[in-house]
Amino acid sequence: AQKVTQAQTEISVVEKEDVTLDCVYETRDTTYYLFWYKQPPSGELVFLIRRNSFDEQNEISGRYSWNFQKSTSSFNFTITASQVVDSAVYFCALSEALMIYNQGGKLIFGQGTELSVKP
Amino acid sequence: GAGVSQTPSNKVTEKGKYVELRCDPISGHTALYWYRQSLGQGPEFLIYFQGTGAADDSGLPNDRFFAVRPEGSVSTLKIQRTERGDSAVYLCASSRRGGTITGELFFGEGSRLTVL
Repeated sequence: AQKVTQAQTEISVVEKEDVTLDCVYETRDTTYYLFWYKQPPSGELVFLIRRNSFDEQNEISGRYSWNFQKSTSSFNFTITASQVVDSAVYFCALSEALMIYNQGGKLIFGQGTELSVKP
Repeated sequence: GAGVSQTPSNKVTEKGKYVELRCDPISGHTALYWYRQSLGQGPEFLIYFQGTGAADDSGLPNDRFFAVRPEGSVSTLKIQRTERGDSAVYLCASSRRGGTITGELFFGEGSRLTVL
């Protein structure tokens, strides 16, 4: 069965601090996709990143970076020099790849980590 | 519109009533998903359509829940004999053909259902 665990329920930091959000996943599939979404107070889920299971290269996008390690089944997300606008709930998610149908499966979400960045 | 549109944005109903929630996906997106999000929880998968057919309905909690997508575009989630435990935000998402292997899911703002 597929499962995503975000052990940190809430994190509070002061502006300009770096913060890492942890994500651990479980799957029996060899081909799968990992995602991070941001959910600000407005409620709409905003896509941040998608990685496939064959690409373990770390990725950096501005102040955001992601560390994917298959050996530990983790896909952690780091925000450098956090800002108040980063305050939101962040979700890690996993999707299997139904290669026989050439389509992805459902997205399984973790419980989310609520990040509060104080000025 | 450019994004996924969901109506109504808020729905208050009484226990036992029937409810319909509508989702209008991004034009050209053949994959459509319904999720339910309770307070303080992550989105919980309900059903996934490819075109008109349900590719995976394993998340529907019981036979009171049903979803259709008759023309492969707009979808309606139908809840019969609503219960207080059905209160949640119902999220709809769409993506290009191939779903998550081709890209991300685009989410709507959700329909907040409150059952009194």
